[in-house]
Amino acid sequence: DTGVSQDPRHKITKRGQNVTFRCDPISEHNRLYWYRQTLGQGPEFLTYFQNEAQLEKSRLLSDRFSAERPKGSFSTLEIQRTEQGDSAMYLCASSPKTGGDASTDTQYFGPGTRLTVL
Amino acid sequence: QKEVEQNSGPLSVPEGAIASLNCTYSDRVSQSFFWYRQYSGKSPELIMSIYSNGDKEDGRFTAQLNKASQYVSLLIRDSQPSDSATYLCAVNKVDYKLSFGAGTTVTVRA
Repeated sequence: DTGVSQDPRHKITKRGQNVTFRCDPISEHNRLYWYRQTLGQGPEFLTYFQNEAQLEKSRLLSDRFSAERPKGSFSTLEIQRTEQGDSAMYLCASSPKTGGDASTDTQYFGPGTRLTVL
Repeated sequence: QKEVEQNSGPLSVPEGAIASLNCTYSDRVSQSFFWYRQYSGKSPELIMSIYSNGDKEDGRFTAQLNKASQYVSLLIRDSQPSDSATYLCAVNKVDYKLSFGAGTTVTVRA
């Protein structure tokens, strides 16, 4: 079990550029979540997938944001036309979520991708 | 009203003392409760989960849940300098996304 991995770990971009982040969940975890965290705040939910299906998107996820999980394994989060307000840590988490056992709700986080928009 | 609120920090405790962290949540349908530890510049690391009323102990950590009062707490016994971090309370509702508090920063002074 190698844990949740994210790539890249750091990204610096200029305003207006597009960026894409990748997340590889823990093997056999069927739920994958994206969160965003700014300094001094807790993570905020962005979206989540059950296998390849995107089940919910937060209103924080503007039209410039898109997420995919095409084969139910890794996921990508793309931000188009980045703005300085997009600067944050983007966190990915996964959980096994198999049936009604609440313990399978437990989410494990990757190391995050820190985005800086200049 | 915020969904999850934590006692404002920072909390400074001497080494070997007990650190007490509190969290309240607004949605009564919440089912699962978690404490994550986050070191500066790092991602959240799960340290405790609790699902039913009462206490749950894991090493030096004890989580307490009171659903009637919509309250969850974390006690850290015999605090060590390595416990210095921000502690995040998270609540999971039926739609499975976590709602986090803003965190409480704990500093253990030697």
